[in-house]
Amino acid sequence: NAGVMQNPRHLVRRRGQEARLRCSPMKGHSHVYWYRQLPEEGLKFMVYLQKENIIDESGMPKERFSAEFPKEGPSILRIQQVVRGDSAAYFCASSPPLTTLAKNIQYFGAGTRLSVL
Amino acid sequence: DQQVKQNSPSLSVQEGRISILNCDYTNSMFDYFLWYKKYPAEGPTFLISISSIKDKNEDGRFTVFLNKSAKHLSLHIVPSQPGDSAVYFCAASANGGFKTIFGAGTRLFVKA
Repeated sequence: NAGVMQNPRHLVRRRGQEARLRCSPMKGHSHVYWYRQLPEEGLKFMVYLQKENIIDESGMPKERFSAEFPKEGPSILRIQQVVRGDSAAYFCASSPPLTTLAKNIQYFGAGTRLSVL
Repeated sequence: DQQVKQNSPSLSVQEGRISILNCDYTNSMFDYFLWYKKYPAEGPTFLISISSIKDKNEDGRFTVFLNKSAKHLSLHIVPSQPGDSAVYFCAASANGGFKTIFGAGTRLFVKA
């Protein structure tokens, strides 16, 4: 019963390159969330997606960042033209369809640590 | 705009004693609160939650208290164990929605 899988665990990019972070949700989970954690800070909500739909992207920077969750395959967080300030840990979480019994408990992956040189 | 605040970056407790982690929130629309625990190099894991219609929820050594009038919640761990040493995040959501706002976390050290 695999948990949320994120890859790669570590990603090094030079300024101006693109970063692609992947997240496979737990089996049966249809909701995916992306969070960013800067050093010594908490988790900042970025985006919430269901299959093929972005539901809430209020935490996404307006430029260079995009996310998708296609019908088939993992969710992808894409950062174009990375800058040093993008260096952070990016966590993905998933949850099952909302029920009254399990109200929005999210299951997290181990994260991808992005380092921009 | 920090809607969920954990004002203590760290807390140190002796093994066997009680650990009390605090959390304040500003958004009165929050109706569901959660605590997550995080070890280094791992993702957060769900610990315990509470709905706004309750003021207490208990699960083994962990109890969460909610004071809606003060917009304050706390997590009590008793007795504390060295394996409880981790970062604890308070989180909240509103209107039964999925968007969850996290606090900055409190690092708990339990000394043997």
